[in-house]
Amino acid sequence: NAGVTQTPKFRVLKTGQSMTLLCAQDMNHEYMYWYRQDPGMGLRLIHYSVGEGTTAKGEVPDGYNVSRLKKQNFLLGLESAAPSQTSVYFCASSRQGSLITDTQYFGPGTRLTVL
Amino acid sequence: AQSVTQPDIHITVSEGASLELRCNYSYGATPYLFWYVQSPGQGLQLLLKYFSGDTLVQGIKGFEAEFKRSQSSFNLRKPSVHWSDAAEYFCAVGAGNKLTFGGGTRVLVKP
Repeated sequence: NAGVTQTPKFRVLKTGQSMTLLCAQDMNHEYMYWYRQDPGMGLRLIHYSVGEGTTAKGEVPDGYNVSRLKKQNFLLGLESAAPSQTSVYFCASSRQGSLITDTQYFGPGTRLTVL
Repeated sequence: AQSVTQPDIHITVSEGASLELRCNYSYGATPYLFWYVQSPGQGLQLLLKYFSGDTLVQGIKGFEAEFKRSQSSFNLRKPSVHWSDAAEYFCAVGAGNKLTFGGGTRVLVKP
């Protein structure tokens, strides 16, 4: 099992460019999450998905879009990148959404710089 | 809304010494509390979690945490640190299916 993988590991964009981050999990998990990590602020939830074809907004969704066309994949899109989106992005997945019985498994992260 | 504060941004500890990381939370109901560790270049790994019952929770890698409702705290401890414990540690509070993280504490271990 690879667990949770993220592509790419690093990326540099210019302001206004677009890109898509890919998260893949091979654990047959229903729930998937996208977080961003900024110094001193911990991780903040951007969007999440409770199953194939469904997505929902998290704490900081503005400027991002997501799609979950396949159960194993969760894509995070930036349509017009801004310097404020410079961050480390983490994907996570869990079997169901219960914080009591489940564990969120995290990918290794994608470091994005927007110039 | 829930929130988490980790008062210490950096902590330096000697190898073999004890470690305590502070975490204070704000939440209206009974909290679900978590500690995660992030080693350099890695994603987050769950160390332990608390939902109810015994207020002293044992986790992986020799860590434990104590829930104190009166102080709204969930401090993480390890009796004797190893060089491999150098990492960033995050406390989190859960509600529904969402986690709210603190800002993290970076631990440096001196030989």
